[in-house]
Amino acid sequence: EPEVTQTPSHQVTQMGQEVILRCVPISNHLYFYWYRQILGQKVEFLVSFYNNEISEKSEIFDDQFSVERPDGSNFTLKIRSTKLEDSAMYFCASSVPGPLDQAQHFGDGTRLSIL
Amino acid sequence: QKEVEQNSGPLSVPEGAIASLNCTYSDRGSQSFFWYRQYSGKSPELIMFIYSNGDKEDGRFTAQLNKASQYVSLLIRDSQPSDSATYLCAVPPGGSYIPTFGRGTSLIVHP
Repeated sequence: EPEVTQTPSHQVTQMGQEVILRCVPISNHLYFYWYRQILGQKVEFLVSFYNNEISEKSEIFDDQFSVERPDGSNFTLKIRSTKLEDSAMYFCASSVPGPLDQAQHFGDGTRLSIL
Repeated sequence: QKEVEQNSGPLSVPEGAIASLNCTYSDRGSQSFFWYRQYSGKSPELIMFIYSNGDKEDGRFTAQLNKASQYVSLLIRDSQPSDSATYLCAVPPGGSYIPTFGRGTSLIVHP
């Protein structure tokens, strides 16, 4: 079964450094998402992306964050200057258009640890 | 702020029993409802979705939706220890396709 893949599985970064998290969505999916989950807390929406542009973003997704689809397969999340509170699991998800377009398929996540 | 509420649990059931997980949501305009399973340290995995009032069955799982009362539930029949996980209810607000996730209910199925 096709799946969303994310790299790296674990990223350790010094506070203030830039980090790029990578995702390869399912190939026939057209909507892409980033979520985060701080340990023990809810899954929180960050941003959605469709047709090469951001379609929706949350208040968490401030100027420190950016997303890009640099080629036909990768979808990246960049955090420009990381803070301690950015430590979390970051999940990429994708979905198809149509009646089930809200059924999102998640990757295994990247655990981001900020020191 | 659109809310999705779940009892955090843990809900403990013996193997073979029916586990009943409940979720309430605040937005009357919501049209679709999703249940995800999340094992510890893993990503959410979609297990059921429901759009219409009533019951929807898939194997050992049954989703139940009552829009008038704004609740959605998940029943797991013949619970197995491998069902032990956190179950997340996810509900997009009306007019949005972005789900709001509940905190999840921790289910423990003991042999």
